[in-house]
Amino acid sequence: DAKTTQPNSMESNEEEPVHLPCNHSTISGTDYIHWYRQLPSQGPEYVIHGLTSNVNNRMASLAIAEDRKSSTLILHRATLRDAAVYYCIPDLSGSARQLTFGSGTQLTVLP
Amino acid sequence: ETGVTQSPTHLIKTRGQQVTLRCSSQSGHNTVSWYQQALGQGPQFIFQYYREEENGRGNFPPRFSGLQFPNYSSELNVNALELDDSALYLCASSLRAPGEALHFGNGTRLTVT
Repeated sequence: DAKTTQPNSMESNEEEPVHLPCNHSTISGTDYIHWYRQLPSQGPEYVIHGLTSNVNNRMASLAIAEDRKSSTLILHRATLRDAAVYYCIPDLSGSARQLTFGSGTQLTVLP
Repeated sequence: ETGVTQSPTHLIKTRGQQVTLRCSSQSGHNTVSWYQQALGQGPQFIFQYYREEENGRGNFPPRFSGLQFPNYSSELNVNALELDDSALYLCASSLRAPGEALHFGNGTRLTVT
């Protein structure tokens, strides 16, 4: 199984960019990299996913290293609503069959 | 578009009892997964159903079982409840295709006393 390493916690100031790193050095060539976040008292929420190239959507950007051993989730302008636990998850099955959530990164956004 | 809904939101049971949790998938989704999230930890995969058949199972004992119905709604059943079963139980629906995202409900908080 691919193992992931994320910082336990990070802080950001409101309206500043945030870069959340993830190391997944044992990922295989066909594993998608998913990012989810979980706000307090809610279920996880899909943020973004990618395979090889960088991806953008209205929530965030995902930068994937050329060797695919790491990725970075970029929130372009953090808001207080972005305070959550962010999970980086390699999708081993290719069909979101069995996602293995680690401990994630607790993001605190300071006003 | 209706999202994933779970019922009940909270439940208290006694050790040894049985419990059934329910989930309505997002419209158009044909796959449902169940996760257990203990306090302070990330969700742990229980099992997934596709076309009414179990399609993958995590490290959970057989007293955890499930059903998926033709309308893609689902149930999670837990028999012989133990204190350690106290957790947030999350249901997620998706399409069965590479790279598809999971859409989670807000879970059922189960407390076993």
